[in-house]
Amino acid sequence: KNQVEQSPQSLIILEGKNCTLQCNYTVSPFSNLRWYKQDTGRGPVSLTIMTFSENTKSNGRYTATLDADTKQSSLHITASQLSDSASYICVVSLRNKLIFGAGTRLAVHP
Amino acid sequence: EADIYQTPRYLVIGTGKKITLECSQTMGHDKMYWYQQDPGMELHLIHYSYGVNSTEKGDLSSESTVSRIRTEHFPLTLESARPSHTSQYLCASSGTGAGANVLTFGAGSRLTVL
Repeated sequence: KNQVEQSPQSLIILEGKNCTLQCNYTVSPFSNLRWYKQDTGRGPVSLTIMTFSENTKSNGRYTATLDADTKQSSLHITASQLSDSASYICVVSLRNKLIFGAGTRLAVHP
Repeated sequence: EADIYQTPRYLVIGTGKKITLECSQTMGHDKMYWYQQDPGMELHLIHYSYGVNSTEKGDLSSESTVSRIRTEHFPLTLESARPSHTSQYLCASSGTGAGANVLTFGAGSRLTVL
């Protein structure tokens, strides 16, 4: 079954700290993997998109990694800010279909 | 500015009412989608369209219907709303070529049926 599992389900960190969110998938064949940020009550916004051949991609303080062999991806947030508080969703593309993870809810406290 | 717009943002209605959630995009995208998302849960595709007069049902069964008469407009309609329809509905669109893999989402319409 094609699935995307994210961990942790929720996370609380202090402002300025780093954190890493995990995404494991069983989707096959794999086309690409994206990370989205979804603020409360808003639609998701794309952070990164990686194809099978890419290992890492950065977008400011966000760095995504991909290990296609182990089918794992991570999203690392550096020097967190209060505005980073949101849900982070991992999405894996299977041909023309997108498989969404349930997301990790991150809360950054001052 | 090119964007995707959803109205209303919030709607509270009684059971049995007919509602239409509007979605418009100004990016000229051919592909448009409707997702349903319950709080803390993943997004589920309920409808999609690859162009004018083309609509398909998604992975999650839904009693809603959609239409695509114009490229930029993709409304979703519930003929008779029920409490089980209470959810957030997200509209999205995507382009072709390199942009085909990136969805642009609207801000969402949060529907509450009493």
